[in-house]
Amino acid sequence: TQLLEQSPQFLSIQEGENLTVYCNSSSVFSSLQWYRQEPGEGPVLLVTVVTGGEVKKLKRLTFQFGDARKDSSLHITAAQPGDTGLYLCAGRSNNDMRFGAGTRLTVKP
Amino acid sequence: NAGVTQTPKFRILKIGQSMTLQCTQDMNHNYMYWYRQDPGMGLKLIYYSVGAGITDKGEVPNGYNVSRSTTEDFPLRLELAAPSQTSVYFCASSGVYEQYFGPGTRLTVT
Repeated sequence: TQLLEQSPQFLSIQEGENLTVYCNSSSVFSSLQWYRQEPGEGPVLLVTVVTGGEVKKLKRLTFQFGDARKDSSLHITAAQPGDTGLYLCAGRSNNDMRFGAGTRLTVKP
Repeated sequence: NAGVTQTPKFRILKIGQSMTLQCTQDMNHNYMYWYRQDPGMGLKLIYYSVGAGITDKGEVPNGYNVSRSTTEDFPLRLELAAPSQTSVYFCASSGVYEQYFGPGTRLTVT
């Protein structure tokens, strides 16, 4: 059983569409990170959210941390083929880091 | 800065063999982590360290050992390799929040 549940597991959309992926848990985290991973490489950090209710924007990406610090969402506006990849959320509790299984996004031109 | 480096990049082991996966970081981070990633899955924490001389078990520590004699190095040891340990292994280091990952070691046990 995953501590962090990500949904959907797979998502295939056309270029220009909007999408939201979710990261949910029954546990409270002191911080939550979103990463993107491309085949054959390690995950690359996109953002860290720390405060409940926090919203962060990174160009076309909007990240939200739930008020109770148990869940998060990532919204991508006008997706591009370059956004294709595995999106992972990770929660930190004390010194322990736990990852979700990821959402595999494919953006078709 | 090189960031986090891992060696080797690929390795094939026979069942019962031993090996050490090397990890080095040059960012003076106190926190270091070892993860494994199975196909189509997220990362599972094997061991972590909050500083030199201190290590703790993560989610899936069985079959592995670590040591942290310096801030820079955090090797992962497999003593008796089993097919279930076939995976991609990632090392990471972090400051307060962000983790920086190495390129990974792809290990196959046959």
